[in-house]
This record gives sequence, C-alpha cells and structure tokens, in this order.
Amino acid sequence: IQMTQSPSLLSASVGDRVTLSCKAGQNINNYLAWYQQKLGEAPKLLIYNANSLQTGIPSRFSGSGSGTDFTLTISSLQPEDVATYFCQQYNSWLTFGSGTKLEIK
Amino acid sequence: EVQLQQSGAELVRPGTSVKLSCKVSGDTITAYYMHFVKQRPGQGLEWIGRIDPEDDSTKYAEKFKNKATLTADTSSNTAYLKLSSLTSEDTATYFCTTFGDWGQGVMVTVSS
Repeated sequence: IQMTQSPSLLSASVGDRVTLSCKAGQNINNYLAWYQQKLGEAPKLLIYNANSLQTGIPSRFSGSGSGTDFTLTISSLQPEDVATYFCQQYNSWLTFGSGTKLEIK
Repeated sequence: EVQLQQSGAELVRPGTSVKLSCKVSGDTITAYYMHFVKQRPGQGLEWIGRIDPEDDSTKYAEKFKNKATLTADTSSNTAYLKLSSLTSEDTATYFCTTFGDWGQGVMVTVSS
C-alpha cells in the first residue's frame, strides 16, 4: 500500500498550529501510526491507530482521519519539534510514507 | 523499561554477508514481534520484515526475501538480521524495533 505525505518540507513559526498530511493508496482501516525522527536518532512513535497518543508524548500532538486520509497536528509548534515526520500503515504488511521535514521559520 | 541494544557499525566488502544483533533488556523477547527497518542516508524508512521469537515465524517484505534472514535466540533475548550478497545498495542504517521501542540503529557500509 503506497503512502503519500505532504508537504515534503514545511517551515513554520514557534507557536503555529501545524498540519501534516498522509494519504493511503487504499482503505487502511485506521491502522496508521506517526513517527518523529530527529537528526541522527531513531524514530519515535507519536500516534497509533490514527488517533491514539503514545504514552509520554506531549498533548500538543494529535492524529485524526480515517480510511485513506490522515492528519498529524501540532497545536503549538515548539523548537524541539524540528524533525522529520513519517506515517506508517500496518493494515497490510507495513509501509512508510516518504516523510515531511519540519523546520522553524 | 524495554531497551533494544544493537551491535556496532560494520564495514563490509561487496558480495559478503553481515549479521546484526539486537538484544532486548527489561522484558522477554517472546513478548514482542521484532521488526527490522532500513534507512539509507538521507532517505525514508523501509520495512524489511519481522520475526515472532515465540515460534520463529517470519514475514518479509517482497524486496528483501532474498536479501534478509531473521532469527532469534530466546536464551540470550536477542534477535538477528543477516544480510547476504551485499552491494552498495545495502549501505544504510538498520534499526530493530517493536515500533513502540527502537534500537539505536547500526550503520552498515558496503565498500571495497
């Protein structure tokens, strides 16, 4: 299942509400996760089952969507949120999106 | 707290094989499916496959079926990824992960 993320690069200011998009090539029944990867680090799980917040993740992160269209929202962008964000489907095997690189303006 | 500790960086010759390890601490390895993920420099994430250490059953992404072999040793709480017939396309960082927890990654460089 192909996963398409947009935009590939996003520049925003501290305090902004930021929205990242992920589209699946077919219905994935909400079996979608979001990961944050900072430079030189392993990815970190943020959201699973499309909208469930992983333990220990700040509440400014939230996930929404269903079927084929999904969104990761950061309600108030912080400097430490600079990273690349990947979506992943696990409805049929596992595939990742190509990522959205988030930077501070 | 579950931790995944991976073996060190590897520099290997083309055409050879390499075996990477991933040791689980803080829990028994049989509690999880262990997945391996590939990341080429500056690129995205590719799922290689997973092993169920409870019964050694494996699943592989199609493109890795002739490249990767996953095994597990429950006595040492360790999973292994063997990569064979290495080429420059295999130069990457390889992560073991339960997806909730990740190893630190191991860089494999294929070069003559």
